[in-house]
Amino acid sequence: DVQLLESGGALVHPGGSLRLSCAASGFTFNNYAMTWVRQARGAGLEWVASMSASGDKTYYADSVRGRFIISRDNVKNTLFLHMNNLRGEDTAVYFCAKDVDPDDYGLFDYWGQGTLVTVSS
Amino acid sequence: DIQMTQSPSSLSASVGDTVTITCRASQSIDSYLNWYQQKPGKGPKLLMFATSNLQSGVPSRFSGSGSGTLFTLTITSLQPEDFATYFCQHSFLNPWTFGQGTKVEI
Repeated sequence: DVQLLESGGALVHPGGSLRLSCAASGFTFNNYAMTWVRQARGAGLEWVASMSASGDKTYYADSVRGRFIISRDNVKNTLFLHMNNLRGEDTAVYFCAKDVDPDDYGLFDYWGQGTLVTVSS
Repeated sequence: DIQMTQSPSSLSASVGDTVTITCRASQSIDSYLNWYQQKPGKGPKLLMFATSNLQSGVPSRFSGSGSGTLFTLTITSLQPEDFATYFCQHSFLNPWTFGQGTKVEI
């Protein structure tokens, strides 16, 4: 079975940094693009960033471009989100999701349970 | 960016009812419209892709239709496990955007 397990969420001060991880299993990780999507409490879903299967292409939402970096380790089957200069509006549950395609097709067939990031002083 | 607008934001229904959720795109997205179901404390689950294609394992009481800018998700004979929040999402071009969600409750 496909499993995606996020970790790394925490309480962090504004301006701080955090690294999220998503451990993947049950599929050939290096064959699929991967994505981060976030959800503020009681709110909708917001696409954050995606990376192609090989890692040669990255895509970012305007709200995080220049502050967040998506990366992956295709040997350890793990997706990362490096978050810098965090703001209050970054407070959310962060989900990793598997794309159906090696490139960023925008269709997500499996999701993790999420990890909570809280940005507050 | 393409804006996705869902209606209603919530609805009350009973087991056995038929419910319809509407999703409107701010510009044409052909048939690149997907639906997800989310239950409290869980990640979303893909229900339907490309407007009307059921994801593997999803019951046939779920159906989708539409094209261009207007789409619907219909659930016939609502079951207890269907009470959840439903999101539409376009996969026409990046950035991918979602509707604000429709909560189906008793």
